Amino acid sequence: QKEVEQNSGPLSVPEGAIASLNCTYSDRVSQSFFWYRQYSGKSPELIMSIYSNGDKEDGRFTAQLNKASQYVSLLIRDSQPSDSATYLCAVSGNNRLAFGKGNQVVVIP
Amino acid sequence: ETGVTQTPRHLVMGMTNKKSLKCEQHLGHNAMYWYKQSAKKPLELMFVYNFKEQTENNSVPSRFSPECPNSSHLFLHLHTLQPEDSALYLCASSQERRGTSNYGYTFGSGTRLTVV
Repeated sequence: QKEVEQNSGPLSVPEGAIASLNCTYSDRVSQSFFWYRQYSGKSPELIMSIYSNGDKEDGRFTAQLNKASQYVSLLIRDSQPSDSATYLCAVSGNNRLAFGKGNQVVVIP
Repeated sequence: ETGVTQTPRHLVMGMTNKKSLKCEQHLGHNAMYWYKQSAKKPLELMFVYNFKEQTENNSVPSRFSPECPNSSHLFLHLHTLQPEDSALYLCASSQERRGTSNYGYTFGSGTRLTVV
């Protein structure tokens, strides 16, 4: 089983809609969870961190964590063309972060 | 300078060349990392340095040789590379506490390497 799984294919959303991204992880003792945004040809940029069960909101982004289900998600409200990027889920464990393969989001004007 | 800086931004090298990638972090972090990102593939962790000591080497070929002279600088020495080594090479840093990455990684802008 992969440490961090992001299974959804490319996600196309109309401008102004909500984009929803999901991530599951295998290490039950993981304490810290992150979402990174990566534009094509650029490096990953940290956009959200979450450490406790529940929701954490930052502007148009909301991260949701459920440690019992080993599940973390990212919602992007009022999606904009500038949100078109690949979103990487990362989970702490084994003295390092484990990254998922990422989900591509395309916001259609 | 702030954050994590990597040089050069782009590098084209022949298979017989020797070159080095440089990374410098200005964040006071105690851990540094090299990642490889190939097209359409996830991030691949190559090397980890905690407090200047190499703590992880993920079966990376010996044609890649890391060096960490101090907690702020990290190098990746390259020699006799293959075309399949062409990729984006990313450096990252973090503040580690007792093996838990509580604050995430800060990435540099990367070096786009092309081996011809």
